[in-house]
Parts: sequence; structure tokens; C-alpha cells
Amino acid sequence: DGGITQSPKYLFRKEGQNVTLSCEQNLNHDAMYWYRQDPGQGLRLIYYSQIVNDFQKGDIAEGYSVSREKKESFPLTVTSAQKNPTAFYLCASRLGQSGEQYFGPGTRLTVT
Amino acid sequence: AQRVTQPEKLLSVFKGAPVELKCNYSYSGSPELFWYVQYSRQRLQLLLRHISRESIKGFTADLNKGETSFHLKKPFAQEEDSAMYYCAPVLQAAGNKLTFGGGTRVLVKP
Repeated sequence: DGGITQSPKYLFRKEGQNVTLSCEQNLNHDAMYWYRQDPGQGLRLIYYSQIVNDFQKGDIAEGYSVSREKKESFPLTVTSAQKNPTAFYLCASRLGQSGEQYFGPGTRLTVT
Repeated sequence: AQRVTQPEKLLSVFKGAPVELKCNYSYSGSPELFWYVQYSRQRLQLLLRHISRESIKGFTADLNKGETSFHLKKPFAQEEDSAMYYCAPVLQAAGNKLTFGGGTRVLVKP
């Protein structure tokens, strides 16, 4: 079964803890992305990566970190510095500099 | 700065009525334009891209370079069109940085 997967589907954490969200793809796509989706604010880009061992900040990178050690994987860490971490997080991948993005099912993170 | 704007957060129409979702962009150059859709409990997925010039599920999108708009239209809305819609211009000069509009929720009432 090919595609892009995210785990877990739901995640609960206490305030002050770091948490890592998983994103894996077997589509052989070069580029990968992390977005957060909040009601009324649409999709906002957190980080993206064009190739292995390279990544760039998106529009709202503060309080987040990523790594891209393998082409298939692009984990996102939500740190305790992120002021409003509770959100729905979407991962996506894309083949190159053209073409559509493919999205994962999302992870809903709740921090209390 | 490059921006994409979807001015309506919510569009509510009756079944069979036309629906038009607006998208305006402020990119210099010629972006490639996409519309994505997210149905309830489903993944965000591509609806259509302007370069293909095709109609998907009865939807079409017209690129107006003069007005820098890429509005999505359907002449007769169906209840199954109720979803969240996102406009996404892609500028090659921006490399792989992809940003989306704020989204428009469409509610088609019976």
C-alpha cells in the first residue's frame, strides 16, 4: 500500500513536554512538508524539505524543529517553546518542482 | 510578499445553485495554480490544476492573469460538494515552498 502516513492519529501531551510527530512516505518524493491546520486560519506552512539533509523554515517555524535524515521520513518535533501547540498537523510530499502534493491523514495534537 | 487570499471563509448554497469560490494571488511571475479539497473525514486531495484545463466533478477554474485570480466554479452544486476548499498557487521561482489560501468552507443545503 503506497502513500504517505502519519502517526499517531491522536496525541496528547502535557504542557512543557516536547513531542515528535511521524511522517513517512514510500512515493519516492523528494520534497516533504509540514502544515498546521487551525479553524479559520487554513493551512500554514511550518517547515519543508526539498532533499535529504536539507530543510527550510516555512511561515510559522518558531517552536518547531524537523530533520530529514532519510528520503522517506520527515519527523516534526513540537517543542515546549511553541506557544499554541494544540492543532491538527498535516504532512505532505511532492515529487519535484511541479505536480501536486500528496497529504497524509493528519495528527491531532492536544496539549494541556 | 507573495500572498494568496480566499476572501470567503464560508459559502452556503442550496443544492442545484451555482457556487463560486474566489481566489486571488499577489505573485509576480506566472504561478501554476491548484485547488485542493478536504471532504469530511478524508485527506486533503487535489481537485484540479489550471494547466490541465479540465473539469473535475463539475468544477472548473479560470485563471485570470489580469486580475490575478483563479476562481473555482460549479454551475449546479450537489450536497456531496460540501467540503473545505483551498487555493494554492505555485511559483517555480519559489522552489518547493508551497503556501495555501485560508480556505473556504462550502456547505450545500438540500
